[in-house]
Amino acid sequence: DIQMTQSPSSLSASVGDRVTITCRASQSIRRYLDWYQQKPGKAPELLIYSASSLQSGVPSRFSGTGSGTDFTLTISSLQPEDFATYYCQQNYNIPWTFGQGTRVEIK
Amino acid sequence: QVQLQESGPGLVKPSQTLSLSCTVSGGSISSATSYWSWIRQHPGKGLEWIGYIYYSGSTSYNPSLKSRVDISVDTSKNQFSLKLSSVTAADTAVYYCARVSGTSWPYPFDSWGQGTLVTVSS
Repeated sequence: DIQMTQSPSSLSASVGDRVTITCRASQSIRRYLDWYQQKPGKAPELLIYSASSLQSGVPSRFSGTGSGTDFTLTISSLQPEDFATYYCQQNYNIPWTFGQGTRVEIK
Repeated sequence: QVQLQESGPGLVKPSQTLSLSCTVSGGSISSATSYWSWIRQHPGKGLEWIGYIYYSGSTSYNPSLKSRVDISVDTSKNQFSLKLSSVTAADTAVYYCARVSGTSWPYPFDSWGQGTLVTVSS
């Protein structure tokens, strides 16, 4: 299985901060990497697909970069509604696997 | 906009079979560019992909669960279902159904059900 490792596991930030979350794959997954946001008690929601494509309806402050084994999710200016847990997920190989999550908390 | 809704028992006894259904509304389960998936999340933990099905019945499963999993589709009801046999407490989780869809394969999970908690306990 391809292991997905996110860092950090959690972070504290303030409204307006620029936030960066990284995701590393245990082998190359080309650009087959998606990002999801999950709020407590809710289902995950798709933010970014194919490493850098913004899902329809997602604010432009979210962006994704990377290819191969190293990927980044950036929130350019953190908003109150962005406090949540973020997951990366590879769909390059079966079984599709997720990172362990990064919790973004209010500072 | 497509919506998904899970249904099924919230409590299952050990060694029995967990059975859940997902009803799709606002779109056809027979869409050529959609697959239908199950994902679970253990309490306070991360996400685990269980498997997916195409409307034709073609499936793909997580090898770690493959011996116990069966995903089926009923196009007449616009539903797909999950059966997980020989459950233990380790199968206690929130189970999500999701649509796998997009413009080029592999597609992301672009729509999710709200999730349903299934507890395995006697």
